[in-house]
Amino acid sequence: QVHLVQSGSQLQTPGASVKVSCLASGYSFTNYAINWVRRAPGQGLEWMGWVDTNTGAPTYAQVFAGRFVFSLDTSVSAAYLHINDLKAEDTAIYYCARDRFSGYGPADYWGQGTLVTVSS
Amino acid sequence: QSVLTQPPSASGAPGQTITISCSGSRSNVGSNSVTWYQQLPGTAPKLLISNNSLRPLGVPARFSGSKSGTSASLTISGLQSEDEADYHCATWDDNLSGQVFGGGTKLTVL
Repeated sequence: QVHLVQSGSQLQTPGASVKVSCLASGYSFTNYAINWVRRAPGQGLEWMGWVDTNTGAPTYAQVFAGRFVFSLDTSVSAAYLHINDLKAEDTAIYYCARDRFSGYGPADYWGQGTLVTVSS
Repeated sequence: QSVLTQPPSASGAPGQTITISCSGSRSNVGSNSVTWYQQLPGTAPKLLISNNSLRPLGVPARFSGSKSGTSASLTISGLQSEDEADYHCATWDDNLSGQVFGGGTKLTVL
């Protein structure tokens, strides 16, 4: 059975950094891309980009290029989202989701989400 | 401001049929297949419809999708209380070279 299990909620202060993990199981990790999607309070879903699990190459949506970094540890079938220099507007639930088509979608399995709260 | 346009809310009584629209442009809906996700309160999105109208295994047949030109629709027939959720449309945008979502539609079952 396919599972994407994410790390727990985090409360951080502005300017700090955070790392969200996404641990995959039940399938061959490198056969599917990992997408990252954000949902801010009161907003819809927002695609942040995807990472090629074969090469580790990330692709970022324009809005997320810069402070947001995708990485992998294929030895443990894990993907990571790093957010640097946190801002209040980064407060959101962050999801990882796999797809077969290199970020094109659809995403057929999703992690449970990680709430990141940025507050002083 | 989302690239795809959805009504923010929709409602219907149990047993009724409702349709949620998703409007885009030539570079996204007009050129690529549309996906619909269902997000129940407090949970992660779940794949509901892919390739405009394909239901994954386990999704009831009362959920159906269609696309015409630069607009897509999700229809739910025989509305049930457990259908109360947010519904999101998504597709690829050729100009942005990335996925785009609608703002989501909150469905209330009266």
